[in-house]
Amino acid sequence: IAGITQAPTSQILAAGRRMTLRCTQDMRHNAMYWYRQDLGLGLRLIHYSNTAGTTGKGEVPDGYSVSRANTDDFPLTLASAVPSQTSVYFCASSDGEVSTDTQYFGPGTRLTVL
Amino acid sequence: GQNIDQPTEMTATEGAIVQINCTYQTSGFNGLFWYQQHAGEAPTFLSYNVLDGLEEKGRFSSFLSRSKGYSYLLLKELQMKDSASYLCAVMDSNYQLIWGAGTKLIIKP
Repeated sequence: IAGITQAPTSQILAAGRRMTLRCTQDMRHNAMYWYRQDLGLGLRLIHYSNTAGTTGKGEVPDGYSVSRANTDDFPLTLASAVPSQTSVYFCASSDGEVSTDTQYFGPGTRLTVL
Repeated sequence: GQNIDQPTEMTATEGAIVQINCTYQTSGFNGLFWYQQHAGEAPTFLSYNVLDGLEEKGRFSSFLSRSKGYSYLLLKELQMKDSASYLCAVMDSNYQLIWGAGTKLIIKP
């Protein structure tokens, strides 16, 4: 079944540790996104990629980095995790480069930083 | 700044109709989206409006007034499975989605 997968499903991490959240899509979508979702707040964009080889900063990029080596994968790295990065992280994709197309979401990664 | 406002929580009765409102102030407008999110799950797409008016899709309809910065999602013949959060999002001039905090809809028998 086509879609977006994320790994891990959940993770508890000690502050200061490095962590990479994985995201893979098999829909051949050009654009991919990383969001965080916190209670009482809307989804906030961390980083995005309009096409393989390009990335851009969203609303809350500090402390996070991304890469887009190919169409399918868009990993998100926390170089040195802090407790304020405790959140649910969603990866999404859409099929346009600069697009008003629908974004499709992965199942999410629940991250706790202690 | 950019802002999306929607009620935090609403309660409705099974079989009834409910309207969830969304008002927005954004830098530019390239469409408004509604998503449904069940607890512990990912958001899933419901509707997209870019022109003024009503878009109907089965039991769900979405309305947009660009001049008023206003949209609503109308859910008819409510079912228990409609209990979820409903997220309003606006695509701004940079083609980035600005999200509201969501409206938690509780359906009672």
